[in-house]
Amino acid sequence: QQQVKQSPQSLIVQKGGISIINCAYENTAFDYFPWYQQFPGKGPALLIAIRPDVSEKKEGRFTISFNKSAKQFSLHIMDSQPGDSATYFCAASMRGGSARQLTFGSGTQLTVLP
Amino acid sequence: NAGVTQTPKFRILKIGQSMTLQCTQDMNHNYMYWYRQDPGMGLKLIYYSVGAGITDKGEVPNGYNVSRSTTEDFPLRLELAAPSQTSVYFCASSPPGQGRTYEQYFGPGTRLTVT
Repeated sequence: QQQVKQSPQSLIVQKGGISIINCAYENTAFDYFPWYQQFPGKGPALLIAIRPDVSEKKEGRFTISFNKSAKQFSLHIMDSQPGDSATYFCAASMRGGSARQLTFGSGTQLTVLP
Repeated sequence: NAGVTQTPKFRILKIGQSMTLQCTQDMNHNYMYWYRQDPGMGLKLIYYSVGAGITDKGEVPNGYNVSRSTTEDFPLRLELAAPSQTSVYFCASSPPGQGRTYEQYFGPGTRLTVT
């Protein structure tokens, strides 16, 4: 069974600080690595994604770092804001059956203190 | 566009009852998915569909059934509800083109309690 291991389970950061969430995977057949953001009472929403042939992708204050040899990837949120307080899920995508499927990490609850 | 809509938002079922969770998308997406989200466990795929008339099992299909008669609708049926099915259920869809199915659009969820 494919797994994506995510840490930490919860994270508290001061406003303006850097939030870092880490994920690790085993299956080298995964070929896309998206991050999703979920606010309370809402469904997850795609935040940013990276392919394994790229080591880093940046969109605004959000950056994914990818280490293919270590089979690890991480999300960095620069200048964290209280509005970033949410649960973040890493995921990995691969073709399975008749379609691509996502395998999700267990989530990180981020709290940014004002 | 309304995106992905789910009904009901909340439901309490007694053990052994059945119900259907409704999901509709208006983005003309081929792919649709049902997940369950348990606290601290991430999202687990129950069933998915690549188009009308085509469905397939995900990681945790036992106790559930799906059908896909139109592009827009993908209902999830719970038969003989059990306490283990207490969860938040999310429906999602993704655009045509298999290279983009990591890009999934989620509905607001249905919170189901089985007592």
